[in-house]
Amino acid sequence: GQQLNQSPQSMFIQEGEDVSMNCTSSSIFNTWLWYKQEPGEGPVLLIALYKAGELTSNGRLTAQFGITRKDSFLNISASIPSDVGIYFCAGQDLDSNYQLIWGAGTKLIIKP
Amino acid sequence: DSGVTQTPKHLITATGQRVTLRCSPRSGDLSVYWYQQSLDQGLQFLIQYYNGEERAKGNILERFSAQQFPDLHSELNLSSLELGDSALYFCASSVGGGLNNEQFFGPGTRLTVL
Repeated sequence: GQQLNQSPQSMFIQEGEDVSMNCTSSSIFNTWLWYKQEPGEGPVLLIALYKAGELTSNGRLTAQFGITRKDSFLNISASIPSDVGIYFCAGQDLDSNYQLIWGAGTKLIIKP
Repeated sequence: DSGVTQTPKHLITATGQRVTLRCSPRSGDLSVYWYQQSLDQGLQFLIQYYNGEERAKGNILERFSAQQFPDLHSELNLSSLELGDSALYFCASSVGGGLNNEQFFGPGTRLTVL
């Protein structure tokens, strides 16, 4: 079946640093979504991407839909303490009966 | 606040018991999805309903079942509970059930099976 690899698994960063994480798929996706989950809460949609090459920003967050349609990245600039959480990517295509295929998540931890 | 509501917030029960989790989607959303998230794990898709009908099934155990009612709220029934069923259960909703439908998540129900 389809596989979606998200990396890194976790990141320890200093406040103020830029962060980059990515997801790669074994198949072509039509949609990429990026979510953030804080402890004990439901995932919150950050950015949605619908076209290959699309670059979309949401404040300090920027995400891109890869040209090959098999990858996407999320960048966070000038990280702050409230950026802590788990970031999930999710992709969707016609072959998956419209279901979202989820990455395993990237846990972001800010060093004190 | 995503607009998706889930009750109860917490549920503690014993092995062998049966529980029902409830979800109300965002106003106007026709699709409801159920996910299971075990401790420090990713999201496991269980099942999707669209406008009252089952649309897709994921890794849902036979002991689990769900339905979506005419008012579009949904219930997830978990029976013959085992210790390993302890997890966060999330409901999400979207406008449609097909491509390019962004899912919005509720706050979850934390189930603890003792």
